[in-house]
Amino acid sequence: DTAVSQTPKYLVTQMGNDKSIKCEQNLGHDTMYWYKQDSKKFLKIMFSYNNKELIINETVPNRFSPKSPDKAHLNLHINSLELGDSAVYFCASSPRDRSIQWTFGSGTRLTVV
Amino acid sequence: DAKTTQPPSMDCAEGRAANLPCNHSTISGNEYVYWYRQIHSQGPQYIIHGLKNNETNEMASLIITEDRKSSTLILPHATLRDTAVYYCIAGGGSSNTGKLIFGQGTTLQVKP
Repeated sequence: DTAVSQTPKYLVTQMGNDKSIKCEQNLGHDTMYWYKQDSKKFLKIMFSYNNKELIINETVPNRFSPKSPDKAHLNLHINSLELGDSAVYFCASSPRDRSIQWTFGSGTRLTVV
Repeated sequence: DAKTTQPPSMDCAEGRAANLPCNHSTISGNEYVYWYRQIHSQGPQYIIHGLKNNETNEMASLIITEDRKSSTLILPHATLRDTAVYYCIAGGGSSNTGKLIFGQGTTLQVKP
């Protein structure tokens, strides 16, 4: 009964490939997020969706495309993967937009070779 | 969101209280102070938040100074499982951007 679950946990792929990471939350939250944690351990927001609507889109290359089929799911598709995309990607959710208490998933470690 | 400053690292003996300081001197009147932690290889975990008053929950206590320019997170009886990076964040309120902006945090090492 994991609250925020991400799949896969590990992803190793070659440069130029296209890959997706899936996220699901069973908390009934309205808002979901994608964060990227780089090798220096900085956590940076990428996207935020509220009730399937995109509300935050940070300066992220357009090779990254989030999709929210319903408010319990937020997937991240990455085209033409580059070495610099290697990082840990975290999904999170919160009860509503601008809530303080967020719940994070356990992360997806993406390695591009 | 207001900028926060934390020491990069701290040690604490197992069973003792861990006191993690945070400076947020530019915090505005309606911004909250909230704390998250990230245990190695896991996602960040919410700990506690407060506005003006001190707060306590099952995980920790949060002491906010009267001028609200600094705060201290207290883990009353640290265990080895509390070893993690602790992030202090100041934001929310009417200037809430809808983002959690993480700084470098404090790496707390609990030692046996």
